[in-house]
Amino acid sequence: DQQVKQNSPSLSVQEGRISILNCDYTNSMFDYFLWYKKYPAEGPTFLISISSIKDKNEDGRFTVFLNKSAKHLSLHIVPSQPGDSAVYFCAASRTNKLVFGAGTILRVKS
Amino acid sequence: DGGITQSPKYLFRKEGQNVTLSCEQNLNHDAMYWYRQDPGQGLRLIYYSQIVNDFQKGDIAEGYSVSREKKESFPLTVTSAQKNPTAFYLCASSTRALVESPLHFGNGTRLTVT
Repeated sequence: DQQVKQNSPSLSVQEGRISILNCDYTNSMFDYFLWYKKYPAEGPTFLISISSIKDKNEDGRFTVFLNKSAKHLSLHIVPSQPGDSAVYFCAASRTNKLVFGAGTILRVKS
Repeated sequence: DGGITQSPKYLFRKEGQNVTLSCEQNLNHDAMYWYRQDPGQGLRLIYYSQIVNDFQKGDIAEGYSVSREKKESFPLTVTSAQKNPTAFYLCASSTRALVESPLHFGNGTRLTVT
């Protein structure tokens, strides 16, 4: 039972354009959401997070949007850069335990 | 330079053998975690520890064991009871066992059991 789903295994975007990575969850009890980024042969690194009391959080080129009624969050990267090419995992938390999605491979073409 | 060190990067074992994966951190973090990653799946929590000499089972603890004798170290033993041990294993730590404390991950160990 996958409680956190990233339905797009991969995404290809042109440099300078917007990248939108999506994540859906099924458990309405999740109260904190995070995005992690992973390069090949490295561990994931924390990117950005959002509490369920907010609907938007921004950090530079990265913005996370949360739609609680739809149980959906998205990560926007503007403008996309070749160095953003990586695997992006969304994660949701309930009682301090994280549940991760399967990841989306982002390729930014120059 | 602080971080998490996992060793070795690649590990090969014969079926039926126990194997221990090393995880060391010099971040002075209280909480440490072990995750497993399989193709097409998200990271799944095996075990976690909030303080020294204490640890809790995660979602897929069967066939695994851990110890936390030192704050810096959280080794994971994959026992012969683990039915599908071949996977990519990630160790992580955080300042506290609260989700608002982001996880810092090591670079992982890829275990292959034949």
